[in-house]
Amino acid sequence: ETGVTQSPTHLIKTRGQQVTLRCSSQSGHNTVSWYQQALGQGPQFIFQYYREEENGRGNFPPRFSGLQFPNYSSELNVNALELDDSALYLCASSLVAGPDQETQYFGPGTRLLVL
Amino acid sequence: QKEVEQNSGPLSVPEGAIASLNCTYSDRGSQSFFWYRQYSGKSPELIMFIYSNGDKEDGRFTAQLNKASQYVSLLIRDSQPSDSATYLCAARPDTGFQKLVFGTGTRLLVSP
Repeated sequence: ETGVTQSPTHLIKTRGQQVTLRCSSQSGHNTVSWYQQALGQGPQFIFQYYREEENGRGNFPPRFSGLQFPNYSSELNVNALELDDSALYLCASSLVAGPDQETQYFGPGTRLLVL
Repeated sequence: QKEVEQNSGPLSVPEGAIASLNCTYSDRGSQSFFWYRQYSGKSPELIMFIYSNGDKEDGRFTAQLNKASQYVSLLIRDSQPSDSATYLCAARPDTGFQKLVFGTGTRLLVSP
């Protein structure tokens, strides 16, 4: 167990709907990254938040957006859901400084199915 | 060309043998490398990371890095059936933020 929690664990939505996924980072971790993992693939970086700002983004369209709160927890929002958005969404927390910096610890994930 | 490449496997080894998992990367600016284990239906779990050329050992696991060849490997000694999982290799490019680029993973099967 990493101390990173995510909710909900599973979610079923229909095409065109919007979804919000939540993540609480490991105690003391100030950086949160989100990844999408399609079946049989490695995780793909969506974006990262540090100090409540997005400080890096992968190759995902603007309908993927996020927030980070003062307690370092985070949300991933996806608008206008498409069938290809069906995947495991992973949150990872890390530090930007210190001996364990950059090491990302993953939460259990949220499995999203879009019908 | 994928940024991080792994053989998808499955790699089958008998219990007690050494499993050797390999990974190549294309971005020469990548500075650090990570191995994660992922059981079916679960999230990735960090095994170890490596920054410097050479070997790094942690228990039954040894990570090896060769930056000149852009090659990373993970050796698992005394493989156990509980090691059966998908092993993900990840590289951290020099982007200024902590993005990890993952391979598709190698499935390892350890038979009793």
